[in-house]
Amino acid sequence: QVQLQESGPGLVKPSETLSLTCTVSGGSISSYYWSWIRQPPGKGLEWIGYIHHSGSIKYNPSLKSRVTILADTSKNQFSLRLSSVSAADTAVYYCARGPEYSGSLSWFDPWGQGSLVTVSS
Amino acid sequence: QSVLTQPPSASGTPGQRVIISCSGSSSNIGSNTVNWYQQLPGTAPKLLIYSNNQRPSGVPDRFSGSKSGTSASLAISGLQSEDEADYYCAAWDDSLNGVVFGGGTKLTVL
Repeated sequence: QVQLQESGPGLVKPSETLSLTCTVSGGSISSYYWSWIRQPPGKGLEWIGYIHHSGSIKYNPSLKSRVTILADTSKNQFSLRLSSVSAADTAVYYCARGPEYSGSLSWFDPWGQGSLVTVSS
Repeated sequence: QSVLTQPPSASGTPGQRVIISCSGSSSNIGSNTVNWYQQLPGTAPKLLIYSNNQRPSGVPDRFSGSKSGTSASLAISGLQSEDEADYYCAAWDDSLNGVVFGGGTKLTVL
């Protein structure tokens, strides 16, 4: 079955760029939508954005100016870059597979185990 | 403040039926399907209900979902101790042009 694994630095300094990679196994990123979702400690879920193999990319309007999501089909990975981070960006970052078609874009299954990123000097 | 509104907490005793509500608007629940996620302590969220009322393979039929107008509900019958978790609703929002989540409901089994 499809499995996702996040990787990247666990500590990022304020004003710098957070970078995470999601490696997908058991399936190809050349189909389905692929999303990033985050969860600050003790708080709820926030969708960051998605990428689709067609080239369609969409970001949460509240983060759009700072977010970039890219895909590398040769490595079966997709990545997240969040610039100018602050303590408010401290969270567990999850990658997740979205739907195959655009019918229900809030459908996510499965999810990665999550990667805690702390923003601190 | 989340776009979708859920009660912050819910509780019940073993065997009881509990309902968790999710209130939205015409731009999200009113015009798009709702999905529900279960997050057990210390783990990643898991898809629990999709397309308003469908259960993925492996999810017990004790869990059911419904939608009416701009609101949705998750019902858990025959409550068990292992159901103690956080539950989130989610939907696409046509106005915000993105996915919105509820703030989450912490379910306690007394």
